[in-house]
Amino acid sequence: DTEVTQTPKHLVMGMTNKKSLKCEQHMGHRAMYWYKQKAKKPPELMFVYSYEKLSINESVPSRFSPECPNSSLLNLHLHALQPEDSALYLCASSQETGNYGYTFGSGTRLTVV
Amino acid sequence: AQSVAQPEDQVNVAEGNPLTVKCTYSVSGNPYLFWYVQYPNRGLQFLLKYITGDNLVKGSYGFEAEFNKSQTSFHLKKPSALVSDSALYFCAVRDTDTGGFKTIFGAGTRLFVKA
Repeated sequence: DTEVTQTPKHLVMGMTNKKSLKCEQHMGHRAMYWYKQKAKKPPELMFVYSYEKLSINESVPSRFSPECPNSSLLNLHLHALQPEDSALYLCASSQETGNYGYTFGSGTRLTVV
Repeated sequence: AQSVAQPEDQVNVAEGNPLTVKCTYSVSGNPYLFWYVQYPNRGLQFLLKYITGDNLVKGSYGFEAEFNKSQTSFHLKKPSALVSDSALYFCAVRDTDTGGFKTIFGAGTRLFVKA
């Protein structure tokens, strides 16, 4: 298995909703990432997990809450989002942090209404 | 701080012609450089990387990149473009200031290959 699987592919949520994005990989990668991408812009790093521990939080608002239940799974819990949070949310993994290329999932297209 | 710049928003090339997508970098220390491609409504796909060794790096789908230390450049190249190469291309650098935890992406270059 050489893929990163993200679910759902599309999500529409209201500003008072609570939802979660899921990411799964079975490549034995020990580093996992959440990125946010606006249209025609580069991905912006949100969180980095290394060996299931949060290593980097890029000053992301607390309405985004990451979770890494085990080495294969990464979740992003969403609560009280704003319309400006609408974006493509990308999960990625790499063998470890350092000089490894990333494998990205296809993303979750999130729309906040 | 590490950074990469992609000076061209868009590159147009005819099918069968060689293509070049430009990238320059600014790093403190040794550069760890990457190229990714993104097709519409998809995640990014890793193409190739330069860590050390030969300045010409070969990657997926016939792409290669030339590392030039004196010009601080890492241009992506392909000898013969295909229409299916049309996509958004990102140059990236590993941020060694944070122990390699972060990858910083350039603004992206949109490649159009015309039949």
